[in-house]
Amino acid sequence: SQQGEEDPQALSIQEGENATMNCSYKTSINNLQWYRQNSGRGLVHLILIRSNEREKHSGRLRVTLDTSKKSSSLLITASRAADTASYFCATGGNNRLAFGKGNQVVVIP
Amino acid sequence: GAVVSQHPSRVICKSGTSVKIECRSLDFQATTMFWYRQFPKQSLMLMATSNEGSKATYEQGVEKDKFLINHASLTLSTLTVTSAHPEDSSFYICSARATGYSNQPQHFGDGTRLSIL
Repeated sequence: SQQGEEDPQALSIQEGENATMNCSYKTSINNLQWYRQNSGRGLVHLILIRSNEREKHSGRLRVTLDTSKKSSSLLITASRAADTASYFCATGGNNRLAFGKGNQVVVIP
Repeated sequence: GAVVSQHPSRVICKSGTSVKIECRSLDFQATTMFWYRQFPKQSLMLMATSNEGSKATYEQGVEKDKFLINHASLTLSTLTVTSAHPEDSSFYICSARATGYSNQPQHFGDGTRLSIL
């Protein structure tokens, strides 16, 4: 079964606003990762949160993890036009990564 | 930072052609590389795990004779789509993990868009 299935969303927000997207998964995990994909490009690793962590920050990114609900959220604060991309969560450690469906975020300048 | 180069970035060819895609780790050695396939507006699906010096491990439902993988060196893995047909048209992405750094994230190439006419 595929892990890391976030609610498929297409977000369209104004520059400066915050963008929040969610991810749910099905089985137990050691960690969960978030990736960004610009249109027609490969994936860029954003952040990894371990199963014993509840929240993690990296610059304008804030990730939360609720292992009891098997869910994670990614918050991008003060969004910029350059944040326009698809965002995927992934589980499975660094072997057989399983990606979710992705959230497409459009930041309007 | 770690860089993975994927070539070519785009291929358009006739049905029946075999297409080879290269994935190179430019500044690190990668015992293991991964090949993914992505359809428009969909997620990445792992096709196979490429292991240097040994046979690739294919995911269920992926034809190994259709998608030939060779990982002959610690910096290069190739995916050959044999006798490609229109249904093989997709975005193919590779990733690599630095040898000895199993806790580090995978580094992705920029993908190859394959269009079979």
